[in-house]
Order: sequence, then structure tokens, then C-alpha cells
Amino acid sequence: DAKTTQPPSMDCAEGRAANLPCNHSTISGNEYVYWYRQIHSQGPQYIIHGLKNNETNEMASLIITEDRKSSTLILPHATLRDTAVYYCIVRVRSNFGNEKLTFGTGTRLTIIP
Amino acid sequence: KAGVTQTPRYLIKTRGQQVTLSCSPISGHRSVSWYQQTPGQGLQFLFEYFSETQRNKGNFPGRFSGRQFSNSRSEMNVSTLELGDSALYLCASSDVVGGGNTEAFFGQGTRLTVV
Repeated sequence: DAKTTQPPSMDCAEGRAANLPCNHSTISGNEYVYWYRQIHSQGPQYIIHGLKNNETNEMASLIITEDRKSSTLILPHATLRDTAVYYCIVRVRSNFGNEKLTFGTGTRLTIIP
Repeated sequence: KAGVTQTPRYLIKTRGQQVTLSCSPISGHRSVSWYQQTPGQGLQFLFEYFSETQRNKGNFPGRFSGRQFSNSRSEMNVSTLELGDSALYLCASSDVVGGGNTEAFFGQGTRLTVV
């Protein structure tokens, strides 16, 4: 799986949009970008994933650059409950029964009241 | 649908002992993966089982083993415990749809302390 690079920490004011960047310059054509987050001492929680088009769900939006070498996770209206470590992972999805997520160090997002 | 269930949530063991952790995946999911999380090494992949067969293995010593049952429930075992095995052990379940894995859903983890 391709390596990702994320800033170690970020702050965001409550109610504002949180934009978390991720660099994955060595991503392959069949690798998806996944985002997970981990609130303290809990298991990671799936947020969103995408291949090349921008994606949106009830939790967040994912913007992937045209060359796919970087992406941004957007939490549109951050709340205190969004304080967590956010992991950007690239993963081959079309790989029958071969599940392995390679976690980096992630970005520790702190929402400021 | 019930989520991924890991038992026990907390465990204290003595060096040299062995331990077995259990994971019940989401109903219908056939893939179970295990991860170890420590402050120093972060989240590291241990192994993955699909339909009772180990499909992928991380870089851990042979003291770490696992298995999967016909109902997709999985157990992992650590023998001859060392202090460095103290960690949060996480289980994730997913399935294969159209030849590709769905997103993985994680349990709350088992926090193992070795003393």
C-alpha cells in the first residue's frame, strides 16, 4: 500500500470547517483513499473513501486532486466530538479477501470551543 | 445490525502467561483482521482471516497466532507474554462484495496489560 503523509496536529474552531490534508504521491491507479478517525481509546471509525471523484456523506466530504497525489478531508461544521486522530490510508479495494490497512501516525485534530 | 464485539474489554496478565482474545464480526462479514496499537508503534496489522483461512500476516513473532471459526468469529492468542505485548488489540470486520473489500468496521478493542 502507498505511504501517506499527514500533518501531526491541527486545531479548528468549533463550528468552522476542518480541512485535513493528506499527501499520497505514490498512489497507484487501483488504490482508494480511505479516512478513519480514532477517538481516544476507542476503535477507529470509518469516515469516507474515494477513488478519484469527490465524495460526500453525512459525516464529511473528500476532495481528491486530479492527479490523485493528495486529498483533503472536510468536516463542514466541526464540533467538540470531532476531536480525534484522523488517519488517511490508501488501500487496494479490488483484492479478494486480502484485508490489510496500513495506518500512519495520523493528524491529531483538536476542536477549540 | 450489531457492531463488532470484542471480549474481554480489559485484561491483566503476568509475563510468561498466554492469553486468548475474542472477536465477533458484524453479521454476514467474512473477513476479520487484527491490529495491535501501542503508543510507540501506533496501529500495526497482525493478521487477517477470511472464510477460516489466514490470508495475510503482519510482521509479528510466532507467539501471536489466530484462527477463525465457521461462523466467522475469530480468536487471537499470544503465548509467553512479554511486557511489550501490553497494548490495545483491535479487531476489524469487513466483507467482500464484487471482488473488493468493503470498508472495515472496528470493535472497541481489548486492552491487555502485562505485568
